[in-house]
Amino acid sequence: DTAVSQTPKYLVTQMGNDKSIKCEQNLGHDTMYWYKQDSKKFLKIMFSYNNKELIINETVPNRFSPKSPDKAHLNLHINSLELGDSAVYFCASSATGQGGYTFGSGTRLTVV
Amino acid sequence: AQSVSQHNHHVILSEAASLELGCNYSYGGTVNLFWYVQYPGQHLQLLLKYFSGDPLVKGIKGFEAEFIKSKFSFNLRKPSVQWSDTAEYFCAVIVTGGFKTIFGAGTRLFVKA
Repeated sequence: DTAVSQTPKYLVTQMGNDKSIKCEQNLGHDTMYWYKQDSKKFLKIMFSYNNKELIINETVPNRFSPKSPDKAHLNLHINSLELGDSAVYFCASSATGQGGYTFGSGTRLTVV
Repeated sequence: AQSVSQHNHHVILSEAASLELGCNYSYGGTVNLFWYVQYPGQHLQLLLKYFSGDPLVKGIKGFEAEFIKSKFSFNLRKPSVQWSDTAEYFCAVIVTGGFKTIFGAGTRLFVKA
């Protein structure tokens, strides 16, 4: 039973396309996150939702739009993909205020 | 704003050597502290965490970390590393009760067999 599952695991697409990454957690956590990990392994928070409400929205191009239909799901849609969007995107979840995250296995996005 | 500094970007050790990875954070209030490990090609996994109480925290796989409040430090240690410890290690901090965890830049550990 995967606690935090992301799909797809790999995504190769052309510049200008629109793509989505899905994330689901079965841990009963009420907070979910999207992080971007660049080629140097640096982790940067993008978004966080708590009980379906957006609570963190870092300086991210508005081509990126998160959606949380319920507290177990947090999806990421990216419009007009650019070369610089190539990275590994991690979904994570935690119980409110606990901070200890459970991460998904990541989605490696390559824009060509 | 909070920040996390990991002093060593790359560490190379031989098997059975002792390990200490430095981590310092900047925030004057109460924080929760974490170490995560990312094995090659995998996702991050929680190694250990400190919320309160005994400042010496023991985690999985023989790792431990010590919180020294006066130094704003949370260094990770292991007495004897193994080849399988080769991975990237991330220190992280969150303001107690907050939502945003800040990660350090990571330390890449390579253990020679």
